[in-house]
Formats: sequence, C-alpha cells, structure tokens
Amino acid sequence: ILNVEQSPQSLHVQEGDSTNFTCSFPSSNFYALHWYRWETAKSPEALFVMTLNGDEKKKGRISATLNTKEGYSYLYIKGSQPEDSATYLCAFSSGGTSYGKLTFGQGTILTVHP
Amino acid sequence: SQTIHQWPATLVQPVGSPLSLECTVEGTSNPNLYWYRQAAGRGLQLLFYSVGIGQISSEVPQNLSASRPQDRQFILSSKKLLLSDSGFYLCAWSVQVPGELFFGEGSRLTVL
Repeated sequence: ILNVEQSPQSLHVQEGDSTNFTCSFPSSNFYALHWYRWETAKSPEALFVMTLNGDEKKKGRISATLNTKEGYSYLYIKGSQPEDSATYLCAFSSGGTSYGKLTFGQGTILTVHP
Repeated sequence: SQTIHQWPATLVQPVGSPLSLECTVEGTSNPNLYWYRQAAGRGLQLLFYSVGIGQISSEVPQNLSASRPQDRQFILSSKKLLLSDSGFYLCAWSVQVPGELFFGEGSRLTVL
C-alpha cells in the first residue's frame, strides 16, 4: 500500500499571504509526482507533473519543488488570492508493478479570505 | 481539442439497485481511462484503469465493475448497490502513463 500524506488538512489565510503545503510519499521506486487543483463544482486540474529530483516548477504565483530522495514535495502560493481557494491534491506514481497508477493524498483545503 | 464527459451528474439509488455511469472522451484516440472515487472524508481512490478496449485492471476488491466497449467509452457498473458505494465518482483520461490526468465533471452517487 502506497501512502501519500498531505499537510495541513486545511488552511485559512488572508488575501496577500503566501502559503505552502507539503506532500510526502514513498521515496523508493519513484516515478512521478503530480499536483492538482480542485475548485468547488469543477473538475480537478493538473498544476504540475514532476519527475526529477530537485525539480522546481512554476506557474504564475504557484510553484512546486520535489525531493525524491527524502520523499516530499512542497507547493507554494505567493500572494494568495480568493480565487486560489480550492483543494490541492498531490498524487504519486511509482515504477514496477504499480506503473501507471496514481495514488492521491487526501488534499489540503485552502481558503483565502478577502 | 480533447473533451471528457461523464453522466449522470447526480444519482440517488436504493440499496440493491443496479448502477451504470458512463464516460466518453472526444478528440483523442487510444486514451488511458480511469475511474476514481472519493468517499466522504477520504482522498481519491483509483477503482479501475484501462489501457485499451476490453482491458480493465481493478485496483480494489469491490462491488463494482468496469467495461470499455469502445476506444473512448468507459462504463462503471454494479448489479446491486451497497450503502458503501455512495461517493463522488470521477472519470479521467491520460495520453501517457502515468501522464497528466484530465478529469470529467464527476457523478455524485447516493445509495439509500
């Protein structure tokens, strides 16, 4: 069983605050780490797919880092806006017999207050 | 452009009744297809995935089954629903394995 843990479970911040979440995953047999944003009444949308240790990706005010050796990824949001309010999911895939399957964490629910 | 649709969006069914959720993908060929479920208070759990017509892999023992009768059609079924089948079901597709997933709108199933 692959365990993907996300913290915190929920987060309330004020508009303009910067914030970050953590995703931890098994460090062995790593293949890829995904981040998704899931807004209420919408479908989850991919933010990043990361495969290389030390990789850092950025999309606007959102960025993510990856440490495959210690099994964690951080998602950062700079200058949070109310439209950033959503559930942020990370998902892990490994090689071998689990190849092709994404295991999701429970998500971090972010609420940005105006 | 590629699109994915699943239906129905909402379903309320009695225990013991059958289930059929459908998902179709347009604008791509030979996609990898997935069914996920989010039960209350839990993360997304992979139920089934398919890499081609008639090829279904089941991830967890359960009361559900999946079929892929056509390249871009994925169906989730049950002969007799249980209370524990309640949840939010998402269909998804990807081009690569395991590439970025593109999700459908979701189907909320309540079993009473």
